[in-house]
Amino acid sequence: GAVVSQHPSRVICKSGTSVKIECRSLDFQATTMFWYRQFPKQSLMLMATSNEGSKATYEQGVEKDKFLINHASLTLSTLTVTSAHPEDSSFYICSAKEGGYEQYFGPGTRLTVT
Amino acid sequence: DAKTTQPPSMDCAEGRAANLPCNHSTISGNEYVYWYRQIHSQGPQYIIHGLKNNETNEMASLIITEDRKSSTLILPHATLRDTAVYYCIVSARQGAQKLVFGQGTRLTINP
Repeated sequence: GAVVSQHPSRVICKSGTSVKIECRSLDFQATTMFWYRQFPKQSLMLMATSNEGSKATYEQGVEKDKFLINHASLTLSTLTVTSAHPEDSSFYICSAKEGGYEQYFGPGTRLTVT
Repeated sequence: DAKTTQPPSMDCAEGRAANLPCNHSTISGNEYVYWYRQIHSQGPQYIIHGLKNNETNEMASLIITEDRKSSTLILPHATLRDTAVYYCIVSARQGAQKLVFGQGTRLTINP
C-alpha cells in the first residue's frame, strides 16, 4: 500500500510557541491531504482538507488562524500549530489520497504543550 | 456525525475468524463502505472497501448485504496483532472523500 510519513513523531513545546508538523506521501502524488486530531480515548476528528496549491478547507470549530495548513507540493503538507496551549496537546494524524483512490494515513504526531 | 453503528467491543480467540458487524442504513447510492483499523498510538490502517459486491484481499473479506444497509468485516484467522479499534465508514469515493470516524469496535484477540 501507499506510504505516508509524518515528522516529528513526538514533540514537546512550551506554551505560546509554534510547532510545525510535516506530512509526506512517499510513493504517490497526493492531490488531497487531510489533517485529523485525536484526543485520548476518543475517535479521530477531521480538522481540515487541503488540495495542492489551494487554501485548506477547515471543519466547523477549527480555527484557521491557529492551525495553519500549507500544501505547497503534491508530496508535502504542513500543519503549524501557532501559539500552542496545553489544550492543543493531542495526537495529530494526516492522511493523503491520489485522485479517486483510498486515503492512507501517516503514523501520527504526538504533541505535548507544557 | 458518523453514519455507521458498530458494537463498542468484541473478543475473539486467536486463530478463529473475527466477524465485525456494521450498520449503515442511511448509505447513499454512491457511497462506499470502508474499513480501517487503528492499533494503539498509530495512524489508521486501510483494510478494505466495497460498493455492493463482496470483496476479499490479503487482509480481510467484506460482506455487504443486498440492501447495502449493513456489512461484516471478516478476519479469517485472527492473530494477536489484529487487536485494534476497527472503524467502518461510509463515504463517496470521488471528490473530497471526507472520512467521518465513529467510535469503532475495539477488537481484542485472546490467546
